[in-house]
Amino acid sequence: EVQLQQSGAELVRPGTSVKLSCKVSGDTITAYYMHFVKQRPGQGLEWIGRIDPEDDSTKYAEKFKNKATLTADTSSNTAYLKLSSLTSEDTATYFCTTFGDWGQGVMVTVSS
Amino acid sequence: IQMTQSPSLLSASVGDRVTLSCKAGQNINNYLAWYQQKLGEAPKLLIYNANSLQTGIPSRFSGSGSGTDFTLTISSLQPEDVATYFCQQYNSWLTFGSGTKLEIK
Repeated sequence: EVQLQQSGAELVRPGTSVKLSCKVSGDTITAYYMHFVKQRPGQGLEWIGRIDPEDDSTKYAEKFKNKATLTADTSSNTAYLKLSSLTSEDTATYFCTTFGDWGQGVMVTVSS
Repeated sequence: IQMTQSPSLLSASVGDRVTLSCKAGQNINNYLAWYQQKLGEAPKLLIYNANSLQTGIPSRFSGSGSGTDFTLTISSLQPEDVATYFCQQYNSWLTFGSGTKLEIK
């Protein structure tokens, strides 16, 4: 059974960056495209982008191209989402997912 | 591609047949999935390729439609089906609908 384990909740200051992790267990990360999805409190789901850990190729939704950076470390079976220049609009829960499997989500709160 | 779900809120009784709608802004070639999200949880994949049931999902869930118009049907509503349901297209990039919140009457 594939499991996606995400890092813990973050409280961060406006203007800074944060890097979230998503560790895959039960399979090798190179077997999947890893996607990240944003969900603001009480709102719907937004696709941020995806990475192919096999070759580190990435695709991003247009609105996240200057906000998000996806990386992967095959040695630790972990994918990462870095969010930069954080504002209150980035306060949300972020999920990693292969769409068949989902991480538990990590809440990022941007506040001074 | 814009995805429009209706209704935004649906109230039904246990045992009812429930139908949720999802319309795509253009033909998405049946590259459509449905997810169930319960409060405080991650979404769960129910249906992919418009009508294929994900492993482990109860058979009371079914998907239908093609082109731009799609439907998720719950044949007999159960209390544990209270959740928000999202559709997602993956024909061109990925976009989600805004969701249908399903509650028990």
